[in-house]
Formats: sequence, structure tokens, C-alpha cells
Amino acid sequence: GAVVSQHPSWVICKSGTSVKIECRSLDFQATTMFWYRQFPKQSLMLMATSNEGSKATYEQGVEKDKFLINHASLTLSTLTVTSAHPEDSSFYICSTVGRGGQETQYFGPGTRLLVL
Amino acid sequence: QKEVEQNSGPLSVPEGAIASLNCTYSDRGSQSFFWYRQYSGKSPELIMFIYSNGDKEDGRFTAQLNKASQYVSLLIRDSQPSDSATYLCAVSRDNAGNMLTFGGGTRLMVKP
Repeated sequence: GAVVSQHPSWVICKSGTSVKIECRSLDFQATTMFWYRQFPKQSLMLMATSNEGSKATYEQGVEKDKFLINHASLTLSTLTVTSAHPEDSSFYICSTVGRGGQETQYFGPGTRLLVL
Repeated sequence: QKEVEQNSGPLSVPEGAIASLNCTYSDRGSQSFFWYRQYSGKSPELIMFIYSNGDKEDGRFTAQLNKASQYVSLLIRDSQPSDSATYLCAVSRDNAGNMLTFGGGTRLMVKP
């Protein structure tokens, strides 16, 4: 499998501020990480695919200038929500594909963002 | 039509019974299929994955895949109250676990 951590686990911020969320792969080097968003009572929606050393690939409808992704190392990807607004309040979850022949995604614990 | 469809539930079963969760998908090019469990306020955790038609068993869980019918299911035997959660079906176009598309999830309630 894979062990993935996220920080912070929750954050409350004022509208207009920027928030950075970190996603770390703790037990192996991840060339690819994924960022999802989940609104209450809805399923996970893929926002972007984060590739180490290159630009992230964003899903249709996700503003790349608003959701900045940096994957500068094989163990760390960051998502920055710029100029956050109340509608950005959500549960943000990162994942990475595990190793060992079992190509499945393992998820971090998630970061709950509340924008006031 | 949604790409991955699940009955939202709640599906209520008594303790010890078999819970049957169903999922249909629209993309015939889908290669790999996953079941995740998500407790309220938590992130998803992998239960099982299946690539080939037929059944795959792991403990109390059995995944069933029928690519011709574009249907995948999860059976939970001897259901326990701790199994109460939302079960997410996810499909991928490759065998590398990338680009998952999730269904809306089925909420399962196991009553003591």
C-alpha cells in the first residue's frame, strides 16, 4: 500500500485569503499524486493530477490559477487555494498510487476547509 | 447519464445479514474497478479492487464484475454495525489506478 499524510487536517480562514494544503507520501516516492474535492453528501471529484517536476493536469472546470499545485519533490505535493471564497469550503483529499504491483489509489486523511 | 451510478440508499440490513451494493458504469473502456469505504468525516479507504470478470473474495467481502453488463457489485457477509458507512464505487480506464471516476456512493446502515 501507501501511507499518505495531509496537513493541516482542518483550516478556517477569511474570504480572500490563500490556504496551502500539503500532501506527503510517507513510505515511498510518488511521481504522481491526485487532488480531489468532496462537498457534503457528494462523491469525490478529481480536481487535478500532480506530476513531480512538471505542471499539474487539471480537470475540466477547475481553475488552475485558483488552485495552484506544486509537486516539487517525490514525497510532497501542495495545493494552494488562492483568494478563497465560501464556495471553496470543502473536504480536500489527496491520493497516490500504491506500489508493489497493486495499482490502487491510497488516500490521505483529508483537509477540511471552511472559508468564512 | 452519470459515468458511475450507485443507489444512494440508505441500505439498511440487520447485523449478520448479507449486504449487497451495486454499481453500474457507462464507459466500456473501463479496465479496473474499486470499492472504497468512507466513514463520515473521513477519507476513503480501499476495500477491494477487481480487474477480471467474475468474483473476487477477500474475507467477508466479495466483489463481482460483469463487464458485458457494465456492472460491479460488493457483497458483505455477516454484516457488522462497524460496516455502517458510505461505500464508493470507482472505475479507471487503465490498470494503473489512475484517473478514478467515483460513483455517488451508497450509504449502508447495519442495525444491531
